[in-house]
This record gives sequence, structure tokens and C-alpha cells, in this order.
Amino acid sequence: AQSVTQLDSQVPVFEEAPVELRCNYSSSVSVYLFWYVQYPNQGLQLLLKYLSGSTLVESINGFEAEFNKSQTSFHLRKPSVHISDTAEYFCAVSVLNTGFQKLVFGTGTRLLVSP
Amino acid sequence: EAGVAQSPRYKIIEKRQSVAFWCNPISGHATLYWYQQILGQGPKLLIQFQNNGVVDDSQLPKDRFSAERLKGVDSTLKIQPAKLEDSAVYLCASSLDPRSGQPQHFGDGTRLSIL
Repeated sequence: AQSVTQLDSQVPVFEEAPVELRCNYSSSVSVYLFWYVQYPNQGLQLLLKYLSGSTLVESINGFEAEFNKSQTSFHLRKPSVHISDTAEYFCAVSVLNTGFQKLVFGTGTRLLVSP
Repeated sequence: EAGVAQSPRYKIIEKRQSVAFWCNPISGHATLYWYQQILGQGPKLLIQFQNNGVVDDSQLPKDRFSAERLKGVDSTLKIQPAKLEDSAVYLCASSLDPRSGQPQHFGDGTRLSIL
């Protein structure tokens, strides 16, 4: 069965510092990979996705993630964080389920950005 | 485009009572999902619909949970009777074509508290 591991439950960081949120997955078949962000009392918003092609994918707000097939990882990075980046971040893998795609989520990483 | 709409946003009930949640997906999205998100965890898929047919309900506690998607548009999720462990945020999501990697779009969720 497919699974997603986010080892860090919480990552504190100072504003303008770089950050990396780790994500590892297990799957015996090809997958699609996603990062979602959740702000308090809101649903999940898509941050970026990897389907195929270039292993480095970027979002419009400065985040990037790199797909590493040999290490089965999809870590999320940002070179300089803002206070507004404080949120919960979920890594997810999409697997084929009876002909349809199914998302399996990690347990999430809370990013805490302080001044 | 309008996002996924859910109601109510909050619900407080006593154990053994019944409750229902409503979801209106993004127009044209054939695939609809209901997730349960317990505090501190990632979302867990309860049921997935393709149009008005069920694709996956393997993790739905069918002795107390039920869901329907009449006419392949709106959906309702019901819990009867509720237990204390059902306290969670219930998220609805929809997707245009998940098999091609189209992402899921989430509503803001319904926060259910069981007393």
C-alpha cells in the first residue's frame, strides 16, 4: 500500500530564513505528487504538483519541490520565508485506485515563522 | 470560478444524535470526495464518487456513516448516531479529471464537535 511520511511535525524558523519540509513516500507504481497548504479554519489549497517531466516544480509564491525517484522523496523548500507562510503543509501521493486516482496524505508539518 | 461550497461551517451535537453535511462541488467536476480530518492528522478519504456512482467507500464506517450524490452534483454526508470519536473536520473536495493528474479542490470544511 502507498504511504507518505512527513517526519517533522513542526518546523520553527525565523522570517527571511530558508526552510525545507521533508516528504518521503512509498509506492511500487508511478505516482503523482502534491503539496497542499492549510491555513487555520480553511480547507487545503494546492501549492504545487509533480506529474512528469522536470523534477523541479515551482509555485507562484516562491516555494519549490524536487522529485527524487531514487530516494522516493518530494521535499518542499523556500529560500526565504515570510510570516504569512505560517500554516500546515501536507504532502500527498496520488495513486491509481480501481481506475481512479486516490490521494494519500501525510500527517502534515506545521511551519511556524517568527519575526 | 466558484470554489467548493460546504455547509454548515460548524456543528455541535451530542453523542448519539444525527448530523448531515452538504457539499456543492465546482461546476463540471465529475469526481467528488469526502475526507475526515482529525486534529493533528492529515485528511483521510471516507468516500469517492464518480458522477453519482461510488468509486471507493472502503474507509467509510457504514454502520453509522452514509453519503449520497444524487444527480451527480451536490452531495450529503450523514452520521447517525454520532460518537465522540467522530469529532473532526469534514472536508469535501472535487476534481475535474484526477486520472490525468488534475488536482483536488477543497472546500473550507465543516468542523464537528461531539459533546
